[in-house]
Order: sequence, then C-alpha cells, then structure tokens
Amino acid sequence: AQRVTQPEKLLSVFKGAPVELKCNYSYSGSPELFWYVQYSRQRLQLLLRHISRESIKGFTADLNKGETSFHLKKPFAQEEDSAMYYCALWEIKAAGNKLTFGGGTRVLVKP
Amino acid sequence: NAGVTQTPKFQVLKTGQSMTLQCAQDMNHEYMSWYRQDPGMGLRLIHYSVGAGITDQGEVPNGYNVSRSTTEDFPLRLLSAAPSQTSVYFCASRLVDGGSEKLFFGSGTQLSVL
Repeated sequence: AQRVTQPEKLLSVFKGAPVELKCNYSYSGSPELFWYVQYSRQRLQLLLRHISRESIKGFTADLNKGETSFHLKKPFAQEEDSAMYYCALWEIKAAGNKLTFGGGTRVLVKP
Repeated sequence: NAGVTQTPKFQVLKTGQSMTLQCAQDMNHEYMSWYRQDPGMGLRLIHYSVGAGITDQGEVPNGYNVSRSTTEDFPLRLLSAAPSQTSVYFCASRLVDGGSEKLFFGSGTQLSVL
C-alpha cells in the first residue's frame, strides 16, 4: 500500500525566513511525487512535480529515494506563500492510476 | 476551455436525503476522480474513473456511487446522506504532460449534512 506522510500540520515562519515542509512516502514502485497548494478561497493547484526538477515561486523539492522523502523548501518565505500544501504520490497501475495525498501542512508566513 | 466545473458550490442536506454532485470537464481527459477534504485528514480519494464506462473505488467509497457514461461527466451520488459526509468535495481530471501526470481540480463543493 502506498502512504504519504506530512508530519507537520502547521508551520509558522516570519517573512524572509526559510521554510521547509516535510513529506515522506512509502511505495514499492518507482515514485512520482507532487506538491499541490491551496490558497485561501482558491482551488487546489499543482505547485511542482519531482520529474521536472523545476522551481516554482521560489520553491524546490528534491526526491530522496534513500530517505523516501520529498521535502518542499523555500529559502525566503513571503506572506503570499501562506496556504495549505499537500504532498502527493502518483501510483501507476495497469487498472488505472491513483493519486494519494498527505494530510497537508498549513503554512503561515507572518510579517 | 472551462476546465473542471463542479456544481453546486454549497449544499445543505438533511440526514437521509439524496443528491448528486456534478463534475464536468471539457479537456477530453480520460481520468477523473472525486476527493473529499476534511480537517486534519487531508484529501482522500472516494472514487475514480480511467475512462467512460470504467469506475473503481478509492480509499473511502462507502456511501457514494459514481458513473461515467461520457468522457466529460463524472457525477458523485450520495444515496442517503449522513452527517459523516459533511465535507468539502473536489473533482479532478488528469492530463498526461511530457510524460508526467497533472491533475486539474474543480473549485470544490462544500456539503453540510444536518
């Protein structure tokens, strides 16, 4: 069975401070991982995916297969980064793919 | 493209009532799914579909039915609503982009069951 764990429910940081959101996964296959973000009163949207190794809005995430982690990082948090963040694991199956989400981490960036 | 459209945005039901949450996408995506979002629980998969005529259960399917008669539509039915089904529901469809998966989400339906 696949599982995605986000150990922190809430992260509170000051503007300009670094922020790191932890995500650990368990999966027997080759993982494909994503970070989704939901800003207040907006729909859930894709932030970044590990396969593209991109940096979006200053965020990066590195897949560490040895530690089975996919932590999301930003060196200097901004107030507009305040949102709910979800780590997600994509399972590819012959019968159809599934996306499993972690419990989410609320980020609050204080001025 | 309108993307993924969910209706209604808000709904209040009494215990035992039935209703259907509508989801439609105009992007010709094969994969569609329904999630519920509860405080402290994160997003949980209810049902999903890999194409018209094909559906399967997710993590929390009990109390919900789905059907996929067309590629565009994937309605979620509550046959007899219970207070435990009070939640925010999201519909999503999938695009394969550059070999990777990308989900498009609807704006959500806030459901309260009294």
